[in-house]
Amino acid sequence: NAGVTQTPKFQVLKTGQSMTLQCAQDMNHNSMYWYRQDPGMGLRLIYYSASEGTTDKGEVPNGYNVSRLNKREFSLRLESAAPSQTSVYFCASSESMGQETQYFGPGTRLLVL
Amino acid sequence: QKEVEQNSGPLSVPEGAIASLNCTYSDRGSQSFFWYRQYSGKSPELIMSIYSNGDKEDGRFTAQLNKASQYVSLLIRDSQPSDSATYLCAVSPSGSARQLTFGSGTQLTVLP
Repeated sequence: NAGVTQTPKFQVLKTGQSMTLQCAQDMNHNSMYWYRQDPGMGLRLIYYSASEGTTDKGEVPNGYNVSRLNKREFSLRLESAAPSQTSVYFCASSESMGQETQYFGPGTRLLVL
Repeated sequence: QKEVEQNSGPLSVPEGAIASLNCTYSDRGSQSFFWYRQYSGKSPELIMSIYSNGDKEDGRFTAQLNKASQYVSLLIRDSQPSDSATYLCAVSPSGSARQLTFGSGTQLTVLP
């Protein structure tokens, strides 16, 4: 089992460009999450999907959109990248929301110039 | 006030010592508590979860929860240089959404 996979691993964008970060899990988990991690800020939730077909905003959703493509895949889209979106992005999944362990992907390092 | 607070450190302990990491949270109704370890440049991985008051031991790790005082701690006994990492406290608050809230992490360095 690969667990949670993310692509790409690293990306450089210019301000105003768009891109989609891909995430997939093979653990048959119902819930998936997108976080960003900035120095000194810890992990902040961008969007989450409690189950297939549902998505909800987290703490810092502005500038992002998500799609829960199916039970395995949850993508994060930046429509018009800004330097403030320079960060490390982690996708995670769990069996359901709440008490269950979240399993993290390896992360995507994004630099917006 | 941040919902989950941790001392950012860095915390340095000598090899073989006990490392003590602390976390406080603001939502009194929180139900689930987690400690994640994150090596530099890597993703977080769960090392302990605790749901009820008291201590929970797993090998060299002990999680302690005190809901009345709203704190959760992680003790690492016989610390090893391989324990050097950032430790993230995560709390599942009360309410229907129940997504985790993470602290900013404590950087631990174990000196050989």
